[in-house]
Amino acid sequence: KAGVTQTPRYLIKTRGQQVTLSCSPISGHRSVSWYQQTPGQGLQFLFEYFSETQRNKGNFPGRFSGRQFSNSRSEMNVSTLELGDSALYLCASSGDSLTNEKLFFGSGTQLSVL
Amino acid sequence: KQEVTQIPAALSVPEGENLVLNCSFTDSAIYNLQWFRQDPGKGLTSLLLIQSSQREQTSGRLNASLDKSSGRSTLYIAASQPGDSATYLCAVKSRPRQETSGSRLTFGEGTQLTVNP
Repeated sequence: KAGVTQTPRYLIKTRGQQVTLSCSPISGHRSVSWYQQTPGQGLQFLFEYFSETQRNKGNFPGRFSGRQFSNSRSEMNVSTLELGDSALYLCASSGDSLTNEKLFFGSGTQLSVL
Repeated sequence: KQEVTQIPAALSVPEGENLVLNCSFTDSAIYNLQWFRQDPGKGLTSLLLIQSSQREQTSGRLNASLDKSSGRSTLYIAASQPGDSATYLCAVKSRPRQETSGSRLTFGEGTQLTVNP
């Protein structure tokens, strides 16, 4: 069974641009969560999608948005990039976050904002 | 609001030593606690998951315990090897206030482990 796949692996953008990151969950998984990891803040929860609906949201500005498609693949969008958005963005999938299942993480997208 | 703390922040040990990593959390209303390993610049690899009703889980040289009432978990690594060098993260899955609002993991800051040959 293929794991969680995130693309692209690396991204370099400049301030003010926007970016879209993609995540393909493990086959059969319906819950996809996004996390931001920075050296200063550690791992912070962004949002969770389940069956195409955003079910949970962390404390990030509206510039951070996402969506989930009918095949459970998810995209995350960041508009008007700021230097502080430079981070490793991790996607995780599970069958349903409201259970005792493990979360499986992808390798992440390393975003650098110049 | 759930808060997770890991001690120590960094640990350096000689190969072969047994070691313990600590994790504490503030809200005992949890589904489970999960220990992850992260290598530099990489994603997270799940090591062990302990459900809220369980006391411990074991996998090979790893043993994780959970004391929900005191808000503590430990990860025990036996006979450490240089390949164990990585950052170890503890994460708690909290019960949501509403069943429709999903759940999330709250992570500790991690313990950076170095095992010297």
